[in-house]
Amino acid sequence: DSGVTQTPKHLITATGQRVTLRCSPRSGDLSVYWYQQSLDQGLQFLIQYYNGEERAKGNILERFSAQQFPDLHSELNLSSLELGDSALYFCASSYGGLGDTQYFGPGTRLTVL
Amino acid sequence: EDQVTQSPEALRLQEGESSSLNCSYTVSGLRGLFWYRQDPGKGPEFLFTLYSAGEEKEKERLKATLTKKESFLHITAPKPEDSATYLCAVQVSGGSNYKLTFGKGTLLTVNP
Repeated sequence: DSGVTQTPKHLITATGQRVTLRCSPRSGDLSVYWYQQSLDQGLQFLIQYYNGEERAKGNILERFSAQQFPDLHSELNLSSLELGDSALYFCASSYGGLGDTQYFGPGTRLTVL
Repeated sequence: EDQVTQSPEALRLQEGESSSLNCSYTVSGLRGLFWYRQDPGKGPEFLFTLYSAGEEKEKERLKATLTKKESFLHITAPKPEDSATYLCAVQVSGGSNYKLTFGKGTLLTVNP
């Protein structure tokens, strides 16, 4: 158990809908990262927050957004969902960032029908 | 563009048959190289971090090494429970982007 929690574990929804994925980092960690894992693309970085502020963006679609709250938990919002958004979404956390080990949560499996 | 290539894509071993997995990388500057193990449908589980060429780390049957262009994950006398996908990732130095760039992974199967 990495100490990172994610909810829900599974999510099944329809095209065009909006969903919210939630992540709680390990105790003491200030950085939260979101990654998407699909069969053909592997693990892809989406976005990073550090102590409530956006730190870096990766290949995140404009339909996707995220935030980190004062209690350091984070939410990833996915809207206008398409079939191709079906994937595993992982949250990871680390204490500070550069060089720190990122610990991954169990993931949320999103299925868009 | 930062690139991470893992080989082989899949590896099938007999229990006790030692082997190595390769991770080659092309980055502007390496801050750290990370190895993770991932079981199907689960999150990546951290194994090792290597920071500089020549560094080695060991954990049970696993040993990770790092050169300036690649890293190896050596598996000694593997057991069936070592079956998993092994992922290599790099973090580059400079800037404030602390993302990990992952390779596609090596799927290891250890037969009893």
